[in-house]
Amino acid sequence: DAGITQSPRHKVTETGTPVTLRCHQTENHRYMYWYRQDPGHGLRLIHYSYGVKDTDKGEVSDGYSVSRSKTEDFLLTLESATSSQTSVYFCATRLAGENNEQFFGPGTRLTVL
Amino acid sequence: GENVEQHPSTLSVQEGDSAVIKCTYSDSASNYFPWYKQELGKGPQLIIDIRSNVGEKKDQRIAVTLNKTAKHFSLHITETQPEDSAVYFCAGYQAGTALIFGKGTTLSVSS
Repeated sequence: DAGITQSPRHKVTETGTPVTLRCHQTENHRYMYWYRQDPGHGLRLIHYSYGVKDTDKGEVSDGYSVSRSKTEDFLLTLESATSSQTSVYFCATRLAGENNEQFFGPGTRLTVL
Repeated sequence: GENVEQHPSTLSVQEGDSAVIKCTYSDSASNYFPWYKQELGKGPQLIIDIRSNVGEKKDQRIAVTLNKTAKHFSLHITETQPEDSAVYFCAGYQAGTALIFGKGTTLSVSS
């Protein structure tokens, strides 16, 4: 599991409130990713990072922002949560170079009421 | 960008039978195709992968084949067991970015 932890593991919040999810890795992997998983949609990329302070958008980035101030931490923020953001969120990491394997964290289940 | 389609969405087999899951991809520049297995309540885990310079790869009961011309790749599980029951995802690697996943196949193996 490449030493990836996510916090919190479960969260229930109300529409309109800000939410921050944290991904922490101990493997010094350069790349980090946030995906969301929804029934019928599989895993969809939200944002990714290719180094400290270097981030870019994925296919479903609207309503989300990210930050990476340290190699080991990648934060996902919902500025004003909506019910459509109820989902399971997975963080993933990858080494640099030709090794493309992505390792996934255990996930965070977020419910927006 | 890359688009990956996966079929079927659900697959039920008897223990001991073979299971085949198929994926197609759109970006001819993609060069890495992994398969992930996700058990209930857990994150996806890599079970096998293949690169575009290889046509087939095996690991015990699991094999993956790749047809670059047709832009499709398949996962083959032989002698299925109840513990193979899970959701399986294929993915294509969009160069310089991230893995793009198919929508998943729920495999059920009944004894």
